[in-house]
Amino acid sequence: GQQVQQSPASLVLQEGENAELQCNFSTSLNSMQWFYQRPGGSLVSLFYNPSGTKQSGRLTSTTVIKERRSSLHISSSQTTDSGTYLCAMTSGSFNKLTFGAGTRLAVCP
Amino acid sequence: DAGVTQTPRHEVAEKGQTIILKCEPVSGHNDLFWYRQTKIQGLELLSYFRSKSLMEDGGAFKDRFKAEMLNSSFSTLKIQPTEPKDSAVYLCASSLDWGGFNYAEQFFGPGTRLTVL
Repeated sequence: GQQVQQSPASLVLQEGENAELQCNFSTSLNSMQWFYQRPGGSLVSLFYNPSGTKQSGRLTSTTVIKERRSSLHISSSQTTDSGTYLCAMTSGSFNKLTFGAGTRLAVCP
Repeated sequence: DAGVTQTPRHEVAEKGQTIILKCEPVSGHNDLFWYRQTKIQGLELLSYFRSKSLMEDGGAFKDRFKAEMLNSSFSTLKIQPTEPKDSAVYLCASSLDWGGFNYAEQFFGPGTRLTVL
């Protein structure tokens, strides 16, 4: 089965609303990372967050290793937040990322 | 500091051709990765090098895909022969796993969009 499950698959917000994106892992993990991608664009690292909570502006990432989950909170969403958010994990003995399928976010004005 | 660079940004190939994609990792990084991104499969690992040694070659991608790391600052991905199903975005990433912990933040290049006709 899938090692990394992201939810929701897609989300539509009105500008100013908050969003909570989830990532659940079926195996134990060493670390995880959140990425942002615009259509046709590259992967931009938002957070490298092996555990605990990190904040950057309107974004907050929380990883709970024991519970094998991570979340990305977006507060006061803006139209420029639209795009795909991907989480990825490393596990075992190699530093390779296994990705989730992503959450496609659309923020409407 | 320069990030991960990839060339070319776009490539169009005829079926059966050989193409070579190039990547320069962040200076000083010791891990280098090649990933492929498609709409159906998402992101998949093709190859993984640690200090220029091949650690993983991506299993299903072995037969026509070959990644090499000629030196610590340059890697190539050769696809030979190309097939239409190879049309995808190919992403290179690097990281610095200085402690041998087997996890470290990865930084991605802009990608090469390959179209095989």
